Amino acid sequence: DTGVSQNPRHKITKRGQNVTFRCDPISEHNRLYWYRQTLGQGPEFLTYFQNEAQLEKSRLLSDRFSAERPKGSFSTLEIQRTEQGDSAMYLCASSVDSRLSNYGYTFGSGTRLTVV
Amino acid sequence: EDQVTQSPEALRLQEGESSSLNCSYTVSGLRGLFWYRQDPGKGPEFLFTLYSAGEEKEKERLKATLTKKESFLHITAPKPEDSATYLCAVPSSGGYQKVTFGTGTKLQVIP
Repeated sequence: DTGVSQNPRHKITKRGQNVTFRCDPISEHNRLYWYRQTLGQGPEFLTYFQNEAQLEKSRLLSDRFSAERPKGSFSTLEIQRTEQGDSAMYLCASSVDSRLSNYGYTFGSGTRLTVV
Repeated sequence: EDQVTQSPEALRLQEGESSSLNCSYTVSGLRGLFWYRQDPGKGPEFLFTLYSAGEEKEKERLKATLTKKESFLHITAPKPEDSATYLCAVPSSGGYQKVTFGTGTKLQVIP
């Protein structure tokens, strides 16, 4: 297992276009998380899944954002009608279970989105 | 609302010059505290979990400690490869699924 994989690594899009990111978590991890990080800030929680169920969404996740995790495996994060304020690093992480793990989250390398 | 504050924002050390990074937190019912390291253009890399006040954990030149209100990351005789942003985070009072991160301390170790 090579860890959490995110694609693409970089995405440049024009304002108003839709974009979709993919995350492949560690195979034995049943929890998957999406975070967003802007320059000079820590990651901010967006949403999380336990298996295929989306159990929590942040207020940051407007109606333009949607996330899915079909069959509890990979996940996609779609942003519709992108705005310049959506420019950020989108991070995916996975973990084993809901308890505070000795191993924390395993993060992917992120997808850097630039909206021009 | 859960809050995590890290200081200093940036720290520049000479190689071998030991120092400490601070993380103070406000959360109702601490369930633990994470430390992560983040290199430019990469996702955070897990370092430590501390569960209760008085606990300490070590990894190479790093030692993390926890009190009831703050945590410290001590760096002993740092090397240039320790240069990174160090983030601390706490699980939200609502559950482990959401973690609140601080803004990080950017450490630069000069040879």
